[in-house]
Amino acid sequence: AQSVTQLGSHVSVSEGALVLLRCNYSSSVPPYLFWYVQYPNQGLQLLLKYTSAATLVKGINGFEAEFKKSETSFHLTKPSAHMSDAAEYFCAVSEKGQGFSFIFGKGTRLLVKP
Amino acid sequence: GAVVSQHPSWVICKSGTSVKIECRSLDFQATTMFWYRQFPKQSLMLMATSNEGSKATYEQGVEKDKFLINHASLTLSTLTVTSAHPEDSSFYICSATKGLAGVYEQYFGPGTRLTVT
Repeated sequence: AQSVTQLGSHVSVSEGALVLLRCNYSSSVPPYLFWYVQYPNQGLQLLLKYTSAATLVKGINGFEAEFKKSETSFHLTKPSAHMSDAAEYFCAVSEKGQGFSFIFGKGTRLLVKP
Repeated sequence: GAVVSQHPSWVICKSGTSVKIECRSLDFQATTMFWYRQFPKQSLMLMATSNEGSKATYEQGVEKDKFLINHASLTLSTLTVTSAHPEDSSFYICSATKGLAGVYEQYFGPGTRLTVT
């Protein structure tokens, strides 16, 4: 069975600092992995996705994530945080062959201090 | 693009009444649509998966008679919360997929905030 673990329900960084949001997954087959961002009272916006191509994936707004099979991780990073990055971030996994069903992590709230 | 809309964006209803939420794919045909429920400060929990023209598949623990899902066309799915109660108050989000081979992305709607008084 597939699962997603996001370490840290809250992460606080200063504006301009490195952002690192952690995501570990469990999957019996090669997974597809996604990072979504959610602003208050809004739906989810895709940041980036890994679908078995390049292991380093670049997304929107300067975010990127690296798929590490040996560590079963897909951590999200951004070199320099901006105030507008403050939001809830969700990591999700989908297994090939399971249709398009997603399993979401519990989310990490990113706080950006001025 | 791949835009998904939901209507209404928020709704308040009285306990015992029914509420219908619409999910539309505006610029693509959605073979599969998903309905999620999100409680405050929590993650999304998949409620059901619906395919156009067939019965929805509900996740374990979701009452199919309470949460009626209809996917009558390739661009519209509806979720009806029947006999709503305060504990049904939540943020409901739908998503849709294009159903293309190799495309495993879900496109999310903006969500509907349901408050049952």
